[in-house]
Amino acid sequence: GENVEQHPSTLSVQEGDSAVIKCTYSDSASNYFPWYKQELGKGPQLIIDIRSNVGEKKDQRIAVTLNKTAKHFSLHITETQPEDSAVYFCAASSHQAGTALIFGKGTTLSVSS
Amino acid sequence: DTGVSQNPRHKITKRGQNVTFRCDPISEHNRLYWYRQTLGQGPEFLTYFQNEAQLEKSRLLSDRFSAERPKGSFSTLEIQRTEQGDSAMYLCASSPQRESLREQFFGPGTRLTVL
Repeated sequence: GENVEQHPSTLSVQEGDSAVIKCTYSDSASNYFPWYKQELGKGPQLIIDIRSNVGEKKDQRIAVTLNKTAKHFSLHITETQPEDSAVYFCAASSHQAGTALIFGKGTTLSVSS
Repeated sequence: DTGVSQNPRHKITKRGQNVTFRCDPISEHNRLYWYRQTLGQGPEFLTYFQNEAQLEKSRLLSDRFSAERPKGSFSTLEIQRTEQGDSAMYLCASSPQRESLREQFFGPGTRLTVL
């Protein structure tokens, strides 16, 4: 089955710096890759996603890139702010709508001012 | 609020007791998922419903676990004879009906503590 590896497990940056989180997946059939942000005591919040037919997607300060050949995808956050501090999860799913998401173990991002 | 809601938010129980959690998905979302999240880990898939039909179950869903979605709207997850290893956050997510829409929207979760 699918396996998703996520690195780093913790990331500390200064406010205004960029943060990059990387994930690799094992199942070449995976074709949908969402990223979630989870704050303490809350459920995961979808922040951006990408499908296998595109290589990059941006939404304001957040961007995601996908390399299907290497089977890895990355989250880029620019101009980080203290409110970006949270746990970020990547996930992958294959085939079609209704398929379960397979999550990475998460990255704890700390943005200090 | 039109997001996914879950009740209760917290549940403390003694080992051996039964517990039931409820999930109300976003209105008109026909797909509903249950996940479990333990400390320091990502969510792990438990089961999936399309309308009232339970279409997929994970190996994590032991015989002590049962999930229902009787009318294709809200769902319940019951754990019988709870064990300390069942302590976790139980998350519910829902997804729109259109096949092209893959997004899963999560609720706030129910945190279960088994003493």
